[in-house]
Amino acid sequence: AQSVTQPDIHITVSEGASLELRCNYSYGATPYLFWYVQSPGQGLQLLLKYFSGDTLVQGIKGFEAEFKRSQSSFNLRKPSVHWSDAAEYFCAVGGGGGNKLTFGTGTQLKVEL
Amino acid sequence: NAGVTQTPKFRILKIGQSMTLQCTQDMNHNYMYWYRQDPGMGLKLIYYSVGAGITDKGEVPNGYNVSRSTTEDFPLRLELAAPSQTSVYFCASRHRDGGNSPLHFGNGTRLTVT
Repeated sequence: AQSVTQPDIHITVSEGASLELRCNYSYGATPYLFWYVQSPGQGLQLLLKYFSGDTLVQGIKGFEAEFKRSQSSFNLRKPSVHWSDAAEYFCAVGGGGGNKLTFGTGTQLKVEL
Repeated sequence: NAGVTQTPKFRILKIGQSMTLQCTQDMNHNYMYWYRQDPGMGLKLIYYSVGAGITDKGEVPNGYNVSRSTTEDFPLRLELAAPSQTSVYFCASRHRDGGNSPLHFGNGTRLTVT
């Protein structure tokens, strides 16, 4: 069965600092990997995805993520965080019948001014 | 372009009552999903559908039912509501492809059962 682990429940960074959110997955084949962001009271918005090819993928809002097969990881990064990046971030792995996505438990990001 | 629309946004139910959460999408997506989100638990899949007339259970289907009579609509039915069903419910849809297309989410329905 596919699964996702986000080991950090809460992360606090200062505005302008770099950010890395961790994601480890378990999947039997080449995974489809996604990062979503959720602002309070909103649905989830896609930040970026990995399907195949270049293991470093670029997304919206200046985010990027790197797929590392040997570590079963898909960590999200941003060089300089903005106060508006404060939100909850979810990593997800997809596949199987119906291409269902399995989500991690999320990482709540707080940005200090 | 409405995307995925969920109604209602909020609802309070008494134990034992029933209700239907509505979900409609205007993107002609074949695949539709219902998730519930609880604090610290991420999103758990309740039911999903790969096309009109086809539905299947996800991780946490107990206490819920769905139907998919049209491509656009995917309502979620709660029979005999229980406090454990207090949650935020999200409907989502995507294109039918090899799994590469992203999910499009509605803004959620916040349900409280007391």
